[in-house]
Amino acid sequence: DVKVTQSSRYLVKRTGEKVFLECVQDMDHENMFWYRQDPGLGLRLIYFSYDVKMKEKGDIPEGYSVSREKKERFSLILESASTNQTSMYLCASSRGRGYEQYFGPGTRLTVT
Amino acid sequence: AQKITQTQPGMFVQEKEAVTLDCTYDTSDQSYGLFWYKQPSSGEMIFLIYQGSYDEQNATEGRYSLNFQKARKSANLVISASQLGDSAMYFCAMRTPSGYSTLTFGKGTMLLVSP
Repeated sequence: DVKVTQSSRYLVKRTGEKVFLECVQDMDHENMFWYRQDPGLGLRLIYFSYDVKMKEKGDIPEGYSVSREKKERFSLILESASTNQTSMYLCASSRGRGYEQYFGPGTRLTVT
Repeated sequence: AQKITQTQPGMFVQEKEAVTLDCTYDTSDQSYGLFWYKQPSSGEMIFLIYQGSYDEQNATEGRYSLNFQKARKSANLVISASQLGDSAMYFCAMRTPSGYSTLTFGKGTMLLVSP
């Protein structure tokens, strides 16, 4: 079974803090993705990576950056957290372009 | 640009009945794929079923089937014999070959199954 894990289920941070969300997959998948999910808006793609050290902007990259130093790990970074970044963050991976994505359990981030 | 529309914010069904969740899509690509995901209250997104645009048969996976009508650009999910554990949020998503084949998601339909 594909396993995608995220470092925290719940996280509370203060405005202005630097926040790291970690995602690890154990199936040697090429592609990894970060989404945020907000009520009424569905899932929106923040960034994705199709290879180590490669990254591409999704639909809403502003205020975020990412890092992929190893194939199995994809990190989402909030350089200076703001209250409008309070959301559920979901990580996913897939074995290649067009294949189904497998998701982690999500991190519910609250910025106060 | 690709777009997915799920017009039903919420659906109710009784246990053991069948239910159809609607999904329409918009794309100018000829080659694309359609996915359905389930999200229980625990939050994890679970892949259910996939339909490719060139697949001649409707996809089926156990109690899930996808009613694919290409001319109408619809890809409805049919759940047969609903169970209480089917209560969840359901998302339709589309992949196109443009760019890196990322997914575009609809806003979801909340399904509640009652005893």
